[in-house]
Amino acid sequence: TQLLEQSPQFLSIQEGENLTVYCNSSSVFSSLQWYRQEPGEGPVLLVTVVTGGEVKKLKRLTFQFGDARKDSSLHITAAQPGDTGLYLCAGPLSLSSARQLTFGSGTQLTVLP
Amino acid sequence: EAGVTQSPTHLIKTRGQQATLRCSPISGHTSVYWYQQALGLGLQFLLWYDEGEERNRGNFPPRFSGRQFPNYSSELNVNALELEDSALYLCASSWDGNSYNEQFFGPGTRLTVL
Repeated sequence: TQLLEQSPQFLSIQEGENLTVYCNSSSVFSSLQWYRQEPGEGPVLLVTVVTGGEVKKLKRLTFQFGDARKDSSLHITAAQPGDTGLYLCAGPLSLSSARQLTFGSGTQLTVLP
Repeated sequence: EAGVTQSPTHLIKTRGQQATLRCSPISGHTSVYWYQQALGLGLQFLLWYDEGEERNRGNFPPRFSGRQFPNYSSELNVNALELEDSALYLCASSWDGNSYNEQFFGPGTRLTVL
């Protein structure tokens, strides 16, 4: 089983600040996904990264997959209160079980107005 | 297109009782995954159903069980409820041929055990 560690666990920032959260593993992943979960709702898929070194942008969010495909980062520029939520990374549970995901423990982000 | 739906939204039970949670996947999705999320933290994998069969289960006791119906909807049963079973139970669906197994989640059922 491949494990994902996310940091920081909690992050509280002021509106307009930039931030980066991390998802790390000692294992190589064929792909990684990022989800955002808002209070009282289920996680929503933001992006899937599949190629080492890949960078994807979603408005003010920039996702990067590490060159070795063992880590990923999410950078938010000029954070807004609407960005508040739990950010989860996920990847295939194992090389032989791509149809099952393992999730990191998440980064709880709070953006204060 | 309707998303994943779950019922009930909230469920309150007492210790020792049984709880049944239901999930309807997105039309065309054949896989249903159940997760337990305690204290707003990460997701713990419970069960995976595909084409009516249980494909895998997480590290949970046998009193957590479920099934998938011919229309691909699913239910999760929790017997002999314990206080620590209080959590948000999330259902997700996916489809065969989804190369990266991107999952689509329902809003969850909040189970409270008193």
